[in-house]
Amino acid sequence: SAVISQKPSRDICQRGTSLTIQCQVDSQVTMMFWYRQQPGQSLTLIATANQGSEATYESGFVIDKFPISRPNLTFSTLTVSNLSPEDSSIYLCSVPGGGGNSPLHFGNGTRLTVT
Amino acid sequence: RKEVEQDPGPFNVPEGATVAFNCTYSNSASQSFFWYRQDCRKEPKLLMSVYSSGNEDGRFTAQLNRASQYISLLIRDSKLSDSATYLCVVNTGFQKLVFGTGTRLLVSP
Repeated sequence: SAVISQKPSRDICQRGTSLTIQCQVDSQVTMMFWYRQQPGQSLTLIATANQGSEATYESGFVIDKFPISRPNLTFSTLTVSNLSPEDSSIYLCSVPGGGGNSPLHFGNGTRLTVT
Repeated sequence: RKEVEQDPGPFNVPEGATVAFNCTYSNSASQSFFWYRQDCRKEPKLLMSVYSSGNEDGRFTAQLNRASQYISLLIRDSKLSDSATYLCVVNTGFQKLVFGTGTRLLVSP
């Protein structure tokens, strides 16, 4: 399976600032996904990062709050903007294992704490 | 109704016990199914896919009942290292995975 490197692994940020999370994959992938896991909750899909076009956002998530870049087939960034304590979560990037119904493989996650 | 529902547990079992987790899903068009394992403060990792005919991987057996929209995971001969949260995951199409909230397992000596 693909090797996914995500950084930073953790950060503590002040409210009102922004954090950009990077995700690097060791092979070219068509689709990359960004998930959020709030404390005690399961994973929720934020958006699908598409190479060469705008990201596709899930209900409840908007581009102004979670801008995403996908400059090539091996890299993506997620920015969490105008941070508030409610944004304290783990953010995970993921890529498909291969095939239309394949499972996803995850990066090691970014643990964000907003003070 | 949640798209994927699991009993959150925790399930407290002694080493060597057999334990089973259940999961139900609401979207009858769901295409593929998985169990993931998530250790505390770690990313989820794929444990096994779930096939209609049922499948086994060592001490782990997964089963799918499409008619009842029900998935199960059976762990035999539990080990201390099996302590984790087990996530039921459903692919509703186009790689959109919906995660259950997870079932926490604690295996004690």
